[in-house]
Amino acid sequence: SYVLTQPPSVSVAPGQTAKIPCRGNNIGTKSVHWYHQKPGQAPVLVVYDDRDRPSGIPERFSGSNSGNTATLTISRVEAGDEADYYCQVWDSDSDHVVFGGGTELIVL
Amino acid sequence: EVQLVESGGGLGQPGRSLRLSCLTSGFTFGDYTMSWVRQAPGKGLEWVGFIRSNTYGGTAEYAASVKDRFTISRDDSKSIAYLQMNDLQTEDTAVYYCASRRPRSVSISFDSWGQGTLVTVSS
Repeated sequence: SYVLTQPPSVSVAPGQTAKIPCRGNNIGTKSVHWYHQKPGQAPVLVVYDDRDRPSGIPERFSGSNSGNTATLTISRVEAGDEADYYCQVWDSDSDHVVFGGGTELIVL
Repeated sequence: EVQLVESGGGLGQPGRSLRLSCLTSGFTFGDYTMSWVRQAPGKGLEWVGFIRSNTYGGTAEYAASVKDRFTISRDDSKSIAYLQMNDLQTEDTAVYYCASRRPRSVSISFDSWGQGTLVTVSS
């Protein structure tokens, strides 16, 4: 089965740029989606199809995907961005949905 | 406004069954693939399965961890998705979310989620 790997945590100072990687075999050939989840809340889609944003998501959130790594980039990080971030793909070979293990974004 | 509301969670005994419901409103339910995603305490998100719209055959797919024990169904007349959980195991303890697939996309992502319902499996 397809596996997505994320670092457990990423730390960043307010106002700086956070980059959260998501690694998978030839992930660049798949569409990657990103969610954030705050404690006690449901996940929220922040980026879909590698780099597109749902309405209401700030332009500070962007995504890229190439080779074996997809990346969620959060510019001008704010304290309110602290959350767990999950990458997700649909593996068309198995017709299964796969989530990464999640990355805790820590705003210093 | 799109709303998804899960219900049916609670305490279940090992080997027994529970059925979760996801009541939806604010969109044309019958046109959408519906999915269940769970999150064990302190852990990450785990996809459980999904069911396609009847337009696309109404077929369901399941994660290996629940296949042959869990069944997803839908009642388009009531805009409800169900998760029938049989032969419950302690590792099924989790918050269960229902989610709707973002429309008009080749890939599958979920743009609307319920608030979740907690299932605790314990004797």
